[in-house]
Amino acid sequence: DTGVSQNPRHKITKRGQNVTFRCDPISEHNRLYWYRQTLGQGPEFLTYFQNEAQLEKSRLLSDRFSAERPKGSFSTLEIQRTEQGDSAMYLCASSFKDREKEKLFFGSGTQLSVL
Amino acid sequence: SQKIEQNSEALNIQEGKTATLTCNYTNYSPAYLQWYRQDPGRGPVFLLLIRENEKEKRKERLKVTFDTTLKQSLFHITASQPADSATYLCALGGSGTYKYIFGTGTRLKVLA
Repeated sequence: DTGVSQNPRHKITKRGQNVTFRCDPISEHNRLYWYRQTLGQGPEFLTYFQNEAQLEKSRLLSDRFSAERPKGSFSTLEIQRTEQGDSAMYLCASSFKDREKEKLFFGSGTQLSVL
Repeated sequence: SQKIEQNSEALNIQEGKTATLTCNYTNYSPAYLQWYRQDPGRGPVFLLLIRENEKEKRKERLKVTFDTTLKQSLFHITASQPADSATYLCALGGSGTYKYIFGTGTRLKVLA
């Protein structure tokens, strides 16, 4: 179990730029989630994949946000035309489809700072 | 709208004592409730899950209770240690969805 891997760990960007984050889930997991967390708050659901299908998406996810999981393995989260309000920790999690399916394994996150 | 409340203020307790953290929720009927631990700069780590038809769950020094009438879960750490210092998050899950809703977390500090 190598754990959920997220890259980069930190990203600083200027307002208006596009950014992309990558998540590599635990290899046997076919469910993948993206959450966003700001200081002093709990993680906030963004979207969820089962294999390559995006099955659920938060209304919080504006048109500037897009997530993909093209081959049902790694996933990317892209934010276009970043705004200062996008500054947050972006967390990826994965889980099994069948056994212990409710148990989420989180990565260490990507900390985004928009200047 | 769905809402989860956890003690917003930090909880300081003396080493060896039992820490009790609270999770209250409204406008939701979860099928299960989970507790996670989060250290600064890291992602949450799963601790325990309790289902709606269960009253209590234990794992080593941890105990969780779930009262669906009161819409409340209590999380206990017995014989607390300084290494237990962290933020503890509760999360609710429902049938037919994997959109977990997290509380804001309670910061626990165990004093040596």
